Order: sequence, then structure tokens, then C-alpha cells
Amino acid sequence: EVQLVESGGGLVQPGGSLRLSCAASGFTFTSHWMHWVRQAPGKGLVWVSRINTDGSATIYADSVKGRFTISRDNAKNTLYLQMNSPRDEDTAVYYCARDRGYNVLDYWGQGVLVTVSS
Amino acid sequence: DIVMTQSPDSLAVSLGERATINCKSSQSVLYSSNNKNFLAWYQQKPGQPPKLLIFWASTRESGVPDRFSGSGSGTNFTLTISSLQAEDVAIYYCQQCYSSPYTFGQGTNLEIK
Repeated sequence: EVQLVESGGGLVQPGGSLRLSCAASGFTFTSHWMHWVRQAPGKGLVWVSRINTDGSATIYADSVKGRFTISRDNAKNTLYLQMNSPRDEDTAVYYCARDRGYNVLDYWGQGVLVTVSS
Repeated sequence: DIVMTQSPDSLAVSLGERATINCKSSQSVLYSSNNKNFLAWYQQKPGQPPKLLIFWASTRESGVPDRFSGSGSGTNFTLTISSLQAEDVAIYYCQQCYSSPYTFGQGTNLEIK
């Protein structure tokens, strides 16, 4: 059974830092690109970032470019999102999602809440 | 960026009736090399993550009931639920998978009339 379990969320001050993790199991992690998608409270889905299978290629939404870094540790079957200099508007539930191919997201984690506030 | 616009924002349909949700992209998401539309539909129930329903505009994901169908090409797409069931109450999102950033529509809130 495919499982994606996010962790690392919580309260962070503006300008601070936080690292989200997504532990993957039940599939061959190294065969799939991975994504982060976020959802502000009561709002819609917003794509954040994608990483390829070996971590050599990453892309970001403009809203997080230069502040967030996606990475993966294939030995640990874990995806990460390093959030630096977060802003109030980064407050959201962050989902990791598996790419089945062609940027179609076929499995999603339950999500982790990040609250940016002083 | 490709802008995805769904209509309506909210929809109330009687049980057993047809529900239709539209999605329009600001530019074509048809990939000429394989003639596939890079458009997906997701369902999100309260307190749950999104669930993939349809990809390539009309290919149903494994395990999705056949009352769900997708159609359209280029810039105009439709998600149809042929006979609404109580468990279909959810917010539905389209997403273009064609070019980064992989934008979503604003969502359509589907309720029972």
C-alpha cells in the first residue's frame, strides 16, 4: 500500500526556518518524481515544487522560489521541503504527492499544517 | 502561467441526477507529440487530501467509479458525474499538468440539493 506521511509542521516565526519531511513507503521511491502542494485555510490547492527521481532537477512556484528548497534522500525514501524566510502567506497545509508520470499526482499524504506567525 | 478557471464555483444537484463541472485553461494543454491533453481532475472531501479521479482529460484512475467521466480538449474540459451519490459531496479541482507552474482551478463545491 502506497503511503506518504508528512511531518515537521508547526508554528514558525516570519523570517525563521522549518523543514518538512515526507516519508514514503509501499512503492519504489526512486522511480517517481515528487511534488509539494499547499492549501491555505479554506482556500484552494496551490502547486509549490517538484523534484525528479535523483534530485538533480527541481522547479518552484515563483511565490517560493529562492526561499524554499525541495530535496530527497532516496536511501531513506524521504522527501523534504526546507522553508526559509517564511511569510504569513505561507501558512497552509502542505501535502507531498507522488507523480505517476507527466505531473499527474496519484497519491497524496494527509498533509501537515504550517503556521507562520509572530 | 496558465490560468485555470472552473465553473460554476458551487453546484447543488439532486441525488441520482447529473452533475457537470467545467474547466477552462488560458492556453491549450494539448501536447501535440502524443495528442494527450495534460489535464487532471481531483476530488477533495472535508478534512482529506485530494484524490485523483481523471488524468489526460478523460482517463479514469483505477478504482474510480464509472459514473465519473472527463471530456474536452485544448482549452475546454468537463467533469461529469452521471448519477450523483451522497458520497460525491466534495470540492472538485482541475489541474493543468502541461507546464510549470502546474496550476489548479479555484475549485467547485458540489452539494446535494
